[in-house]
Amino acid sequence: GAVVSQHPSRVICKSGTSVKIECRSLDFQATTMFWYRQFPKQSLMLMATSNEGSKATYEQGVEKDKFLINHASLTLSTLTVTSAHPEDSSFYICSAEPNRGREGAFFGQGTRLTVV
Amino acid sequence: DQQVKQNSPSLSVQEGRISILNCDYTNSMFDYFLWYKKYPAEGPTFLISISSIKDKNEDGRFTVFLNKSAKHLSLHIVPSQPGDSAVYFCAARISNFGNEKLTFGTGTRLTIIP
Repeated sequence: GAVVSQHPSRVICKSGTSVKIECRSLDFQATTMFWYRQFPKQSLMLMATSNEGSKATYEQGVEKDKFLINHASLTLSTLTVTSAHPEDSSFYICSAEPNRGREGAFFGQGTRLTVV
Repeated sequence: DQQVKQNSPSLSVQEGRISILNCDYTNSMFDYFLWYKKYPAEGPTFLISISSIKDKNEDGRFTVFLNKSAKHLSLHIVPSQPGDSAVYFCAARISNFGNEKLTFGTGTRLTIIP
């Protein structure tokens, strides 16, 4: 199957700093990538849709100035958590879909962010 | 508003028996449904999917059933194996040429007892 790589897998940062998470499609081009957040024992919540060459589309309630998304190429999307607070600590996952196939989206390995 | 619901947060099944995971949805516009398996600290991996034009899809030990009138789908795993222990998410989407985002259920943690 298609491969989506996410980096880093784990990051610890201090309150007030910014953290960048990368999502790469390794063997296909993705004009659209999705960013999710998962709280403990809860579902994957879609944060935003990353669109190559244009602005991201954010879901209701997600602060676009806090979660900056850049999709500069067909294989890379980045999510930057700005001025991180402890409540931003979570598991962030990206996904991309190589084609409208039966398998839907392929997911990255996820990033565990801990803000101290 | 949780459009996709998995009402059982956890399920334990004896090895070799059938595991049945359930999922309900409220949005009648959903026309494609998927099941994903997730291990801790990893991204979900695709298991099986079904289009709304079908009521059953089978792939090896995994079978998904769709009841559109009841807005209900289920995943059957038989026989269950210890490696099946994971969190299972159902997901749904509305197929349109553009933003085909997935809406996920809350997940069911399946534990297979050896």
